[in-house]
Amino acid sequence: SAVISQKPSRDICQRGTSLTIQCQVDSQVTMMFWYRQQPGQSLTLIATANQGSEATYESGFVIDKFPISRPNLTFSTLTVSNMSPEDSSIYLCSVWSNEKLFFGSGTQLSVL
Amino acid sequence: AQRVTQPEKLLSVFKGAPVELKCNYSYSGSPELFWYVQYSRQRLQLLLRHISRESIKGFTADLNKGETSFHLKKPFAQEEDSAMYYCAVAGGTSYGKLTFGQGTILTVHP
Repeated sequence: SAVISQKPSRDICQRGTSLTIQCQVDSQVTMMFWYRQQPGQSLTLIATANQGSEATYESGFVIDKFPISRPNLTFSTLTVSNMSPEDSSIYLCSVWSNEKLFFGSGTQLSVL
Repeated sequence: AQRVTQPEKLLSVFKGAPVELKCNYSYSGSPELFWYVQYSRQRLQLLLRHISRESIKGFTADLNKGETSFHLKKPFAQEEDSAMYYCAVAGGTSYGKLTFGQGTILTVHP
């Protein structure tokens, strides 16, 4: 199974600032994803992080707001830019490995 | 568009009682269905997927294409089954791109 380390685990940020979340996997994986879980809501896919190319964003999510990097097959970052209170959520990194989707422990973000 | 519905936000049963968590989906094609579970203070993890036809921790789920359902069942609930359960569907060839239901919080009372 893939072991995912995600950090920070939580943060409290001021509106207008940006936060970068890191995701490290203990093995090389082709498919890496970022999900969001808003308070009281289900998980929603933000984007697929592609190694060596631009991320693929789902409807309702744009690169300017959620820039993603994927420099290699074991690491990715998600930045939440120009934050507002509506961005307060849990952000989850996930990877597809051995025909399963594994999740990181999540980053709980609160924007004041 | 894919959609997953879990009609029960909360479900409470007593230990030893049967439990069924409902899941209905809409997807035009051949879906791949999953159940994920999140225990208290733990990360989200895969419980089972329909293609494996396996039983994990006593749970089973049968895909009913006619009713577009994938209900999760266990004949005798245990207290350690208390958790949040998510049903999810994947379409096409990208199994990592899942659409999740709203989740059901299962509480098993002693």
